[in-house]
Amino acid sequence: AQSVTQLDSHVSVSEGTPVLLRCNYSSSYSPSLFWYVQHPNKGLQLLLKYTSAATLVKGINGFEAEFKKSETSFHLTKPSAHMSDAAEYFCVVSEGSKGSTLGRLYFGRGTQLTVWP
Amino acid sequence: GAGVSQSPSNKVTEKGKDVELRCDPISGHTALYWYRQSLGQGLEFLIYFQGNSAPDKSGLPSDRFSAERTGGSVSTLTIQRTQQEDSAVYLCASSPRSGSSYEQYFGPGTRLTVT
Repeated sequence: AQSVTQLDSHVSVSEGTPVLLRCNYSSSYSPSLFWYVQHPNKGLQLLLKYTSAATLVKGINGFEAEFKKSETSFHLTKPSAHMSDAAEYFCVVSEGSKGSTLGRLYFGRGTQLTVWP
Repeated sequence: GAGVSQSPSNKVTEKGKDVELRCDPISGHTALYWYRQSLGQGLEFLIYFQGNSAPDKSGLPSDRFSAERTGGSVSTLTIQRTQQEDSAVYLCASSPRSGSSYEQYFGPGTRLTVT
């Protein structure tokens, strides 16, 4: 079975400092992994996805994540936080392995990112 | 182009009433998913459609919940005899096809409040 654990429910950083949002996953097969962002009163937006190509994945707005199979981790990072990054971030694992027709997503509980000026 | 749309954006209903939530997926997307986001449970899968068929209904929390999709496009999620624990944001997503490699595009959600 698939599951996702986001290790921090809240992260606070100052503008211009690095961001690290931690995620560990459990999957029966080689997973597809995603990070989604949800701004207040907005829909979920895909930041980036890993589907068994390069282990370092670059996404929108300067975010990137590294898939580490040995650690079953998929942490999200950004070198320099911006005020507009304040939002809730969800780490997500897909039900099936690459090539599977299954598409159900399993969401972590979310990490609320606060950026101080 | 147009994204996923959902209606209504907000719905307040009395306990025991039935409600219908609508999702219009991105044109041409054959896969459609329903999720629920609540404070206590986080984001949880309800059901998905490939075309008009629902291969996986395992996330529906009770037989009061049902969904259908017609013409491979619009989907309706129906909750009968609503209960207070049904209060949540109901999210719809679509993707070009079902499968783990395909991005799911989410709508803005319907906020359901059961009083």
